[in-house]
Amino acid sequence: GQNIDQPTEMTATEGAIVQINCTYQTSGFNGLFWYQQHAGEAPTFLSYNVLDGLEEKGRFSSFLSRSKGYSYLLLKELQMKDSASYLCAGMDSNYQLIWGAGTKLIIKP
Amino acid sequence: TAGITQAPTSQILAAGRSMTLRCTQDMRHNAMYWYRQDLGLGLRLIHYSNTAGTTGKGEVPDGYSVSRANTDDFPLTLASAVPSQTSVYFCASSDTSGANVLTFGAGSRLTVL
Repeated sequence: GQNIDQPTEMTATEGAIVQINCTYQTSGFNGLFWYQQHAGEAPTFLSYNVLDGLEEKGRFSSFLSRSKGYSYLLLKELQMKDSASYLCAGMDSNYQLIWGAGTKLIIKP
Repeated sequence: TAGITQAPTSQILAAGRSMTLRCTQDMRHNAMYWYRQDLGLGLRLIHYSNTAGTTGKGEVPDGYSVSRANTDDFPLTLASAVPSQTSVYFCASSDTSGANVLTFGAGSRLTVL
């Protein structure tokens, strides 16, 4: 079956670095997405990886290893506004997104 | 502001009643989607439309129907609501139906009693 696994909750300190992991199993693969969702709001796009390696975008980076079915989202210089849920989603061969339940990131001062 | 508008923002509905959640986008995106989001679960696709005039079933279509009469509008109808349909519903769109970024609406919180 198709599945996305990510931790339910993580806690980190303001100014620090945090890595949110995601493992995926999809029927075929057309890329891995990360979205950010603040409480009570809509998800917003953060990153898309389809090739192996690290994609850096400001304070946020996303990594993909297709052979391991693994991705992570790296957040640097954490700010209080980064407190949110981070959703990992894999796209299968039919271009359907399989979503993880999300990782709630709590930032402490 | 360009984007997706959903209505209502929230609604309490008696079981057995019908309800239509509205979704309108002004980005001229071809593909539109309806998801439900429940605590502890990932977003689940209810129905989708790759282009005006066509619709398809997602992962959890039972109890829901959609139509796509034009590019901009994609309403979701619950014909006879049941408590298990209590959820937050998100409408989304993308330029095409391939590996494209989704733009989401703000969501509609529905409670069925």
